[in-house]
Amino acid sequence: NAGVTQTPKFQVLKTGQSMTLQCAQDMNHEYMSWYRQDPGMGLRLIHYSVGAGITDQGEVPNGYNVSRSTTEDFPLRLLSAAPSQTSVYFCASSYSGGSLANIQYFGAGTRLSVL
Amino acid sequence: SQQGEEDPQALSIQEGENATMNCSYKTSINNLQWYRQNSGRGLVHLILIRSNEREKHSGRLRVTLDTSKKSSSLLITASRAADTASYFCATDAEEGGSEKLVFGKGTKLTVNP
Repeated sequence: NAGVTQTPKFQVLKTGQSMTLQCAQDMNHEYMSWYRQDPGMGLRLIHYSVGAGITDQGEVPNGYNVSRSTTEDFPLRLLSAAPSQTSVYFCASSYSGGSLANIQYFGAGTRLSVL
Repeated sequence: SQQGEEDPQALSIQEGENATMNCSYKTSINNLQWYRQNSGRGLVHLILIRSNEREKHSGRLRVTLDTSKKSSSLLITASRAADTASYFCATDAEEGGSEKLVFGKGTKLTVNP
């Protein structure tokens, strides 16, 4: 049971480049979320999904796209990278019900620098 | 935003001492959770307290919740150097769900050996 797996761990982009941050979970969780963590700002929600085929915006969605074609995968796409998107990105998943509902399981993070 | 706010932002104590961190939030909630983040790692869930609970224990952790004051505290007793980490509170809005947790900015705890 790998939990939540994020790839890559590190990435350097040039302004204007696009890329996809991968996130996969093997716990059959319905809920998946993407956060960014910046110094002094805590974690901020980018996009989230309550199940395959359903996504919605969080607090800071601009410049990012998501899709959820399967329960396991929830990729985050940067369409045209900007220096302001330099951050650490975390993917998380959780059950939607039952005794373990609400508890989020986090990946190890992707550290992204945009030059 | 109903973002939680932790207090203090940083805390430095000696091994064996107790550490207390506080969290305040703005709107009614279903649950409040505490997470730990070791340097360079993802967050790890520590404890969840529901809005109808006032206190909860897990090992050396004690969490209290005062919904009238919209605040919670996390107490770590008999701290160890391994407790050095950042601690975050997270809330889910009463009208929302667990997929929309809102995190505070965290308290950075340093436990000196």
